[in-house]
Amino acid sequence: KAGVTQTPRYLIKTRGQQVTLSCSPISGHRSVSWYQQTPGQGLQFLFEYFSETQRNKGNFPGRFSGRQFSNSRSEMNVSTLELGDSALYLCASSLGSGDKETQYFGPGTRLLVL
Amino acid sequence: GDSVTQMEGPVTLSEEAFLTINCTYTATGYPSLFWYVQYPGEGLQLLLKATKADDKGSNKGFEATYRKETTSFHLEKGSVQVSDSAVYFCALSRGKLIFGQGTELSVKP
Repeated sequence: KAGVTQTPRYLIKTRGQQVTLSCSPISGHRSVSWYQQTPGQGLQFLFEYFSETQRNKGNFPGRFSGRQFSNSRSEMNVSTLELGDSALYLCASSLGSGDKETQYFGPGTRLLVL
Repeated sequence: GDSVTQMEGPVTLSEEAFLTINCTYTATGYPSLFWYVQYPGEGLQLLLKATKADDKGSNKGFEATYRKETTSFHLEKGSVQVSDSAVYFCALSRGKLIFGQGTELSVKP
């Protein structure tokens, strides 16, 4: 079974631009979560989508948004990019939503904001 | 709120040495606990998990036991290899994963 895939793998943008990242979950998984990884803040939860509905949201500004499609694929968007948005963005999928679910991660999208 | 604390790194060991990476958590109830590993330039790979107290997770020679008395989930391996060099993350699940800060392991031949 194919794992979680993320596109693109690398991205360079300038301040003020916007960016869209894509995530395809493991086949049959209905939940997709997004995390931001930076050297200073570590791994932080952005949001979770399950059956096209946002289930949970982390403590990030409204510039960070996401959505999930009927095939469970998910996108996240960051508008008005700031230098501090440079990070590795990780997507994870799980069969369902809840404390007992196991999340499987993709390789990440590395975003550099100049 | 819920949190996870890991021992500071980096940890440097010789090949075949015994490994322990400490992880303690603060949480209400009994969340599921996980260890993930991240190799350079890659995403996180699930290493092992435990979903209830006294469960032992194991994989590829790594083990961790869910200890509710000490709120700990320490990672151990009896004999490390150079290929185990990576960053290890302990995490608890509240629907979302809450991670420790990560522990970098370097194994020298």
